[in-house]
Amino acid sequence: LAKTTQPISMDSYEGQEVNITCSHNNIATNDYITWYQQFPSQGPRFIIQGYKTKVTNEVASLFIPADRKSSTLSLPRVSLSDTAVYYCLVGDGVGNYGQNFVFGPGTRLSVLP
Amino acid sequence: KAGVTQTPRYLIKTRGQQVTLSCSPISGHRSVSWYQQTPGQGLQFLFEYFSETQRNKGNFPGRFSGRQFSNSRSEMNVSTLELGDSALYLCASSLTGGRNEQFFGPGTRLTVL
Repeated sequence: LAKTTQPISMDSYEGQEVNITCSHNNIATNDYITWYQQFPSQGPRFIIQGYKTKVTNEVASLFIPADRKSSTLSLPRVSLSDTAVYYCLVGDGVGNYGQNFVFGPGTRLSVLP
Repeated sequence: KAGVTQTPRYLIKTRGQQVTLSCSPISGHRSVSWYQQTPGQGLQFLFEYFSETQRNKGNFPGRFSGRQFSNSRSEMNVSTLELGDSALYLCASSLTGGRNEQFFGPGTRLTVL
């Protein structure tokens, strides 16, 4: 069964770049790495997804090394509204039907003024 | 386009009872996944349905079951409720499967007394 680890919490100031790393040793060889953002009393919201190397969209970048055992979510110039919990999600290829989706424990990001 | 809806939003049950939660996915989405979120265990994958078939299943006891209808709406059932089943139950829909971008509903908050 896949196990993912993330830092429990991080603090940052407005305007800074924030990097959150997730370790996922047992990721399935054909699976993606996905990051979600969750605000209180809401369901998670998709941020970015990648398979290897680097992916960038309008809100974040995702860096994945060649061995794919970890990934780093990069949030450029964070604002107060980025205060949330960030989760990585991977599939481990295990489970009754070949796929078990495993969320990391989440990183609580606090952005300070 | 309407988002994922879940009903009811809040539910209080007593031990030993059973409960059914409902999820309506985004129109056109054929995959529905269910997750349990608790402060202690975080986000845990329950199961995924695709075109009325359970495609993947997490490590939960048989008291947790689900189904998907021809219109892609899904229900989750928990029988013989235990205190530890108190949690936020989240449903997520995606176009082709949980490995791709998932859109989460607001969740159903279940309290077992």
